[in-house]
Amino acid sequence: GDSVTQMEGPVTLSEEAFLTINCTYTATGYPSLFWYVQYPGEGLQLLLKATKADDKGSNKGFEATYRKETTSFHLEKGSVQVSDSAVYFCALNRNTGNQFYFGTGTSLTVIP
Amino acid sequence: GAGVSQSPRYKVAKRGQDVALRCDPISGHVSLFWYQQALGQGPEFLTYFQNEAQLDKSGLPSDRFFAERPEGSVSTLKIQRTQQEDSAVYLCASSLTGLATDTQYFGPGTRLTVL
Repeated sequence: GDSVTQMEGPVTLSEEAFLTINCTYTATGYPSLFWYVQYPGEGLQLLLKATKADDKGSNKGFEATYRKETTSFHLEKGSVQVSDSAVYFCALNRNTGNQFYFGTGTSLTVIP
Repeated sequence: GAGVSQSPRYKVAKRGQDVALRCDPISGHVSLFWYQQALGQGPEFLTYFQNEAQLDKSGLPSDRFFAERPEGSVSTLKIQRTQQEDSAVYLCASSLTGLATDTQYFGPGTRLTVL
Protein backbone atom coordinates (compact mmCIF):
# COMPACT_ATOMS: atom_id res chain seq x y z
CA GLY A 1 0.00 0.00 0.00
CA ASP A 2 0.88 3.66 -0.07
CA SER A 3 3.38 4.83 2.52
CA VAL A 4 5.92 7.47 3.45
CA THR A 5 9.30 6.82 5.04
CA GLN A 6 11.25 9.68 6.55
CA MET A 7 14.54 9.79 8.34
CA GLU A 8 14.39 9.15 12.02
CA GLY A 9 15.33 11.80 14.50
CA PRO A 10 15.94 13.48 16.64
CA VAL A 11 18.13 15.84 14.68
CA THR A 12 20.16 18.48 16.49
CA LEU A 13 21.89 21.25 14.55
CA SER A 14 23.68 24.45 15.35
CA GLU A 15 22.18 27.70 14.15
CA GLU A 16 23.03 28.47 10.50
CA ALA A 17 23.76 24.84 9.69
CA PHE A 18 22.41 23.15 6.56
CA LEU A 19 19.37 20.92 7.03
CA THR A 20 18.26 17.88 5.07
CA ILE A 21 15.42 15.63 6.17
CA ASN A 22 15.00 12.67 3.84
CA CYS A 23 11.60 11.47 2.71
CA THR A 24 10.79 8.68 0.30
CA TYR A 25 7.41 7.38 -0.69
CA THR A 26 5.62 4.38 -2.14
CA ALA A 27 2.45 5.06 -4.06
CA THR A 28 0.50 3.96 -7.06
CA GLY A 29 -0.13 6.66 -9.60
CA TYR A 30 0.97 10.24 -9.12
CA PRO A 31 0.47 11.47 -5.57
CA SER A 32 0.75 15.01 -4.27
CA LEU A 33 3.51 15.48 -1.70
CA PHE A 34 3.53 17.70 1.37
CA TRP A 35 5.69 18.75 4.28
CA TYR A 36 3.85 19.70 7.45
CA VAL A 37 5.46 21.20 10.56
CA GLN A 38 4.35 21.04 14.17
CA TYR A 39 5.84 23.68 16.44
CA PRO A 40 5.86 22.99 20.19
CA GLY A 41 2.35 23.26 21.59
CA GLU A 42 0.78 23.96 18.21
CA GLY A 43 -1.15 22.06 15.56
CA LEU A 44 0.10 20.78 12.22
CA GLN A 45 0.74 23.50 9.65
CA LEU A 46 1.45 23.14 5.98
CA LEU A 47 5.05 24.07 5.21
CA LEU A 48 5.16 23.38 1.49
CA LYS A 49 3.78 21.11 -1.18
CA ALA A 50 4.33 19.83 -4.73
CA THR A 51 1.62 18.30 -6.84
CA LYS A 52 3.53 16.86 -9.80
CA ALA A 53 6.92 15.48 -10.72
CA ASP A 54 9.82 17.98 -10.81
CA ASP A 55 7.79 20.62 -8.97
CA LYS A 56 9.66 22.43 -6.22
CA GLY A 57 7.76 23.57 -3.15
CA SER A 58 9.27 26.37 -1.08
CA ASN A 59 8.36 28.42 1.97
CA LYS A 60 10.24 30.21 4.77
CA GLY A 61 13.58 29.24 3.25
CA PHE A 62 12.67 25.55 3.10
CA GLU A 63 12.61 23.70 -0.23
CA ALA A 64 11.68 20.25 -1.46
CA THR A 65 11.64 18.86 -5.00
CA TYR A 66 9.29 16.10 -6.14
CA ARG A 67 11.57 13.47 -7.67
CA LYS A 68 9.59 10.72 -9.31
CA GLU A 69 12.65 8.79 -10.48
CA THR A 70 13.87 8.36 -6.91
CA THR A 71 10.39 8.59 -5.28
CA SER A 72 11.72 11.23 -2.94
CA PHE A 73 10.74 14.61 -1.51
CA HIS A 74 13.65 15.62 0.70
CA LEU A 75 13.32 18.78 2.79
CA GLU A 76 16.23 21.22 2.78
CA LYS A 77 17.12 24.56 4.28
CA GLY A 78 20.38 26.34 3.80
CA SER A 79 20.65 28.01 7.20
CA VAL A 80 18.46 26.93 10.09
CA GLN A 81 17.36 29.15 12.94
CA VAL A 82 16.42 28.37 16.54
CA SER A 83 12.82 29.14 15.60
CA ASP A 84 12.85 26.20 13.15
CA SER A 85 12.90 23.77 16.07
CA ALA A 86 9.82 21.60 15.52
CA VAL A 87 8.64 18.21 14.31
CA TYR A 88 8.49 17.84 10.53
CA PHE A 89 6.14 15.41 8.80
CA CYS A 90 6.32 14.27 5.20
CA ALA A 91 2.97 13.23 3.70
CA LEU A 92 1.41 12.12 0.46
CA ASN A 93 -2.10 12.27 -0.89
CA ARG A 94 -3.06 9.93 -3.68
CA ASN A 95 -4.87 11.61 -6.48
CA THR A 96 -7.43 8.84 -6.40
CA GLY A 97 -9.32 8.78 -3.18
CA ASN A 98 -8.47 11.46 -0.65
CA GLN A 99 -6.46 10.55 2.40
CA PHE A 100 -3.07 11.61 3.63
CA TYR A 101 -0.35 9.13 4.47
CA PHE A 102 2.09 10.64 6.95
CA GLY A 103 5.60 9.68 7.90
CA THR A 104 6.47 9.21 11.55
CA GLY A 105 7.90 12.70 11.91
CA THR A 106 11.42 14.02 12.45
CA SER A 107 12.14 16.15 15.48
CA LEU A 108 14.56 19.02 14.83
CA THR A 109 16.26 21.02 17.55
CA VAL A 110 18.39 24.00 16.59
CA ILE A 111 20.80 25.26 19.23
CA PRO A 112 22.26 28.77 19.30
CA GLY B 1 -13.62 31.40 12.27
CA ALA B 2 -9.97 31.73 11.54
CA GLY B 3 -9.13 28.05 11.64
CA VAL B 4 -10.27 24.57 12.50
CA SER B 5 -11.35 24.23 16.11
CA GLN B 6 -11.78 21.11 18.17
CA SER B 7 -13.33 20.45 21.53
CA PRO B 8 -12.62 19.37 24.11
CA ARG B 9 -8.86 19.86 23.93
CA TYR B 10 -8.34 17.19 26.58
CA LYS B 11 -10.56 14.29 27.57
CA VAL B 12 -10.01 11.68 30.23
CA ALA B 13 -12.31 8.67 30.12
CA LYS B 14 -12.58 5.52 32.13
CA ARG B 15 -12.36 2.33 30.15
CA GLY B 16 -15.78 1.42 28.83
CA GLN B 17 -17.13 4.96 28.67
CA ASP B 18 -18.39 6.56 25.49
CA VAL B 19 -16.81 9.81 24.28
CA ALA B 20 -17.73 12.39 21.64
CA LEU B 21 -15.17 14.67 20.03
CA ARG B 22 -16.24 17.74 18.09
CA CYS B 23 -14.71 19.45 15.08
CA ASP B 24 -15.62 22.83 13.62
CA PRO B 25 -14.01 23.15 10.19
CA ILE B 26 -13.12 26.35 8.42
CA SER B 27 -16.32 27.94 7.14
CA GLY B 28 -17.07 26.92 3.57
CA HIS B 29 -14.69 23.99 3.48
CA VAL B 30 -16.23 21.06 1.68
CA SER B 31 -13.99 18.28 2.92
CA LEU B 32 -13.39 17.15 6.49
CA PHE B 33 -10.98 14.51 7.75
CA TRP B 34 -10.31 12.74 11.02
CA TYR B 35 -6.91 11.35 11.98
CA GLN B 36 -5.55 9.50 14.98
CA GLN B 37 -2.03 10.33 16.18
CA ALA B 38 -0.38 8.02 18.67
CA LEU B 39 2.50 9.33 20.74
CA GLY B 40 5.63 9.71 18.66
CA GLN B 41 3.90 8.75 15.44
CA GLY B 42 2.48 10.51 12.43
CA PRO B 43 -1.25 11.00 12.05
CA GLU B 44 -3.16 8.04 10.66
CA PHE B 45 -6.26 8.49 8.54
CA LEU B 46 -9.59 7.51 10.05
CA THR B 47 -12.36 8.87 7.84
CA TYR B 48 -13.28 11.53 5.28
CA PHE B 49 -16.41 13.54 4.50
CA GLN B 50 -17.33 15.56 1.49
CA ASN B 51 -20.13 17.80 2.68
CA GLU B 52 -22.39 15.47 4.68
CA ALA B 53 -21.40 12.33 2.79
CA GLN B 54 -18.90 10.00 4.42
CA LEU B 55 -16.89 8.91 1.39
CA ASP B 56 -14.21 6.87 3.10
CA LYS B 57 -14.22 5.25 6.51
CA SER B 58 -11.59 2.66 5.80
CA GLY B 59 -9.32 3.86 8.59
CA LEU B 60 -11.76 3.48 11.46
CA PRO B 61 -10.14 0.80 13.64
CA SER B 62 -13.31 -0.90 14.81
CA ASP B 63 -17.07 -0.63 14.86
CA ARG B 64 -16.72 1.23 18.16
CA PHE B 65 -15.69 4.28 16.15
CA PHE B 66 -18.38 6.31 14.43
CA ALA B 67 -18.26 9.71 12.74
CA GLU B 68 -20.95 11.99 11.42
CA ARG B 69 -21.34 15.34 9.73
CA PRO B 70 -25.09 15.67 9.37
CA GLU B 71 -25.31 19.20 7.97
CA GLY B 72 -22.04 19.25 6.10
CA SER B 73 -20.31 21.50 8.62
CA VAL B 74 -19.58 20.43 12.21
CA SER B 75 -18.47 16.84 12.67
CA THR B 76 -18.47 14.54 15.67
CA LEU B 77 -16.27 11.51 16.20
CA LYS B 78 -17.78 9.11 18.69
CA ILE B 79 -15.94 6.27 20.36
CA GLN B 80 -18.02 3.74 22.21
CA ARG B 81 -16.79 1.55 25.06
CA THR B 82 -13.36 3.17 25.07
CA GLN B 83 -10.29 1.00 25.49
CA GLN B 84 -6.81 1.95 26.63
CA GLU B 85 -5.47 1.54 23.10
CA ASP B 86 -7.79 4.37 22.03
CA SER B 87 -5.58 6.83 23.93
CA ALA B 88 -4.20 9.21 21.32
CA VAL B 89 -4.56 12.69 19.89
CA TYR B 90 -7.48 12.93 17.50
CA LEU B 91 -6.95 15.48 14.75
CA CYS B 92 -9.52 17.05 12.51
CA ALA B 93 -8.64 18.73 9.22
CA SER B 94 -10.63 20.48 6.54
CA SER B 95 -9.96 21.50 2.96
CA LEU B 96 -11.72 23.85 0.62
CA THR B 97 -12.47 21.35 -2.12
CA GLY B 98 -12.40 17.60 -2.49
CA LEU B 99 -9.21 17.61 -4.56
CA ALA B 100 -6.27 15.54 -3.40
CA THR B 101 -3.92 18.41 -4.28
CA ASP B 102 -5.70 20.66 -1.81
CA THR B 103 -4.07 21.75 1.44
CA GLN B 104 -5.58 20.26 4.56
CA TYR B 105 -5.83 22.65 7.53
CA PHE B 106 -5.52 20.96 10.88
CA GLY B 107 -7.11 21.71 14.21
CA PRO B 108 -5.18 21.60 17.50
CA GLY B 109 -6.44 18.11 18.29
CA THR B 110 -8.18 16.44 21.21
CA ARG B 111 -5.93 14.44 23.50
CA LEU B 112 -7.88 11.42 24.73
CA THR B 113 -6.59 9.46 27.69
CA VAL B 114 -8.38 6.26 28.61
CA LEU B 115 -7.68 5.01 32.12
